[in-house]
Amino acid sequence: KAGVTQTPRYLIKTRGQQVTLSCSPISGHRSVSWYQQTPGQGLQFLFEYFSETQRNKGNFPGRFSGRQFSNSRSEMNVSTLELGDSALYLCASSSSGTGVYEQYFGPGTRLTVT
Amino acid sequence: GQQLNQSPQSMFIQEGEDVSMNCTSSSIFNTWLWYKQDPGEGPVLLIALYKAGELTSNGRLTAQFGITRKDSFLNISASIPSDVGIYFCAGQSIPLIQGAQKLVFGQGTRLTINP
Repeated sequence: KAGVTQTPRYLIKTRGQQVTLSCSPISGHRSVSWYQQTPGQGLQFLFEYFSETQRNKGNFPGRFSGRQFSNSRSEMNVSTLELGDSALYLCASSSSGTGVYEQYFGPGTRLTVT
Repeated sequence: GQQLNQSPQSMFIQEGEDVSMNCTSSSIFNTWLWYKQDPGEGPVLLIALYKAGELTSNGRLTAQFGITRKDSFLNISASIPSDVGIYFCAGQSIPLIQGAQKLVFGQGTRLTINP
């Protein structure tokens, strides 16, 4: 099976702009989670989508949003970018079967805000 | 919020040595996961633990789910150069919505191996 794919791999944006990141989960996986990774804060949970519905949410401002499509692909959007949004954004997919919490990560999108 | 304390933060060892790292929490988790991350890549799942007291191996890696459900450890035996990287523990508590996913991560253990 192909792994989790994320596009683009690298992105440079200017403060105030918005950005959309894309994630394709492992075939058959219906749960997609997003995480932000920074040197200072480590890996922080953003949100999780399952069957096109946000099922769980972390403690990030409303500028961070996401959605999931019927084919389980997911997008994450950050509006009004700030310098502190520079990070590696990771998406992970899970089969989310009963009691299954194993998440498989993509390579990430490296976002730099200038 | 929930936090995981992972230690040590870094390790410098000789090739062939055994490695041990652990994670502790003030909260109970019902699942513990261990990941390895190489530079420029996403974390790769190494071991998943679902039962308190469970001891699971994956090649030279062995991990245990603590009896109190508040800790876990990872051992690597006979380290080799490709073991270099950052190791993360992650915990999942019982969700409010059945099946909802939310991993809490430790800060990572950076492993360096001297040949």
